[in-house]
Amino acid sequence: DVKVTQSSRYLVKRTGEKVFLECVQDMDHENMFWYRQDPGLGLRLIYFSYDVKMKEKGDIPEGYSVSREKKERFSLILESASTNQTSMYLCASKRGVGYTFGSGTRLTVV
Amino acid sequence: GENVEQHPSTLSVQEGDSAVIKCTYSDSASNYFPWYKQELGKRPQLIIDIRSNVGEKKDQRIAVTLNKTAKHFSLHITETQPEDSAVYFCAEPGAQKLVFGQGTRLTINP
Repeated sequence: DVKVTQSSRYLVKRTGEKVFLECVQDMDHENMFWYRQDPGLGLRLIYFSYDVKMKEKGDIPEGYSVSREKKERFSLILESASTNQTSMYLCASKRGVGYTFGSGTRLTVV
Repeated sequence: GENVEQHPSTLSVQEGDSAVIKCTYSDSASNYFPWYKQELGKRPQLIIDIRSNVGEKKDQRIAVTLNKTAKHFSLHITETQPEDSAVYFCAEPGAQKLVFGQGTRLTINP
């Protein structure tokens, strides 16, 4: 069974802080994704990566960056957190067509 | 680019009745259509999917139908039970990623 692990379930950060959200998968998947989930808006893609050191912008990349130094780890970075980045963040990985999601990180920016 | 419209956004049915959620997609070349279920506080999980070479697929109480001409696909849940209460997402494959619908919150009333 593929496991996708997000390091934190809940985070509270202050406006202006630099925030790192970590995601690790254990099945050697090439593709990894970061989504944010907000009520009524579904799952919106922030960034994705199809290989080490490769990254592609999704639909809402503004205010975010990512890092993929190793195949198993995909990090989402909020350079300067703002209150409108309060959300649920979901990481996913895939090989072929099947996605496996992490449990999510609920981030609150105060 | 790909765009998926999902309806309704909320659905409330009596236990034992059927529920239907519909998605319309944009890319006529799309050939894979998954449905994900997200229970409260949990990660989205794949519950059923269909490929474009078939019109219907069933797995116990859930089924997915695909109409390629009209570019829509639907999730059908029969004999609904309390554990079916969740948010359901449809998706359409884009370039190296899935594009999700906005989600449907299904509530099963006892």
